[in-house]
Amino acid sequence: GESVGLHLPTLSVQEGDNSIINCAYSNSASDYFIWYKQESGKGPQFIIDIRSNMDKRQGQRVTVLLNKTVKHLSLQIAATQPGDSAVYFCAESRSGYSTLTFGKGTMLLVSP
Amino acid sequence: DAGVTQSPTHLIKTRGQQVTLRCSPKSGHDTVSWYQQALGQGPQFIFQYYEEEERQRGNFPDRFSGHQFPNYSSELNVNALLLGDSALYLCASSAWGADTQYFGPGTRLTVL
Repeated sequence: GESVGLHLPTLSVQEGDNSIINCAYSNSASDYFIWYKQESGKGPQFIIDIRSNMDKRQGQRVTVLLNKTVKHLSLQIAATQPGDSAVYFCAESRSGYSTLTFGKGTMLLVSP
Repeated sequence: DAGVTQSPTHLIKTRGQQVTLRCSPKSGHDTVSWYQQALGQGPQFIFQYYEEEERQRGNFPDRFSGHQFPNYSSELNVNALLLGDSALYLCASSAWGADTQYFGPGTRLTVL
């Protein structure tokens, strides 16, 4: 079936760098997208979300970009810190269904 | 404000046994979804409960069943356990009709 996938399984950056995590989705009917951060042994933690009527949304140190033309989603983390080290998942859903479809995740490693 | 809670944290069972996992949703939420997360994978949707009824179901066999109580808490039951059922089981809560789901810490199930 259709699913959300990630381009890079592991991303290594230095503390203070900006990080970009990418995600491709294939279900053109999806209209809601969400990024989660999952630390080892913990459940996914909500980071930021975006609806399909937007192409950019900013939070604290994070920005999500949505390109519906190429079905691509990205998460930008500014001034990456060691505490940002985790696995990041993008997920998509369709209004009225409220079930999330996840990709495999990208591991972000931040070196001091 | 209490977040999503799950119990137990860890569980070890043998093949053929049955298991019950428990979840209490975030305060103000009335909808509970269950996900299975195999090691190194993204969570996969099992089913969703609202008003004590299963509303949506993913591609999981009938061995997986659930229940929701009047206080919105929920249980996930798995019968006739298989080795492949070993995973992190995540509960997510939301308000009915809302897209954003918040996850609990999960229950790590090991089937020997």
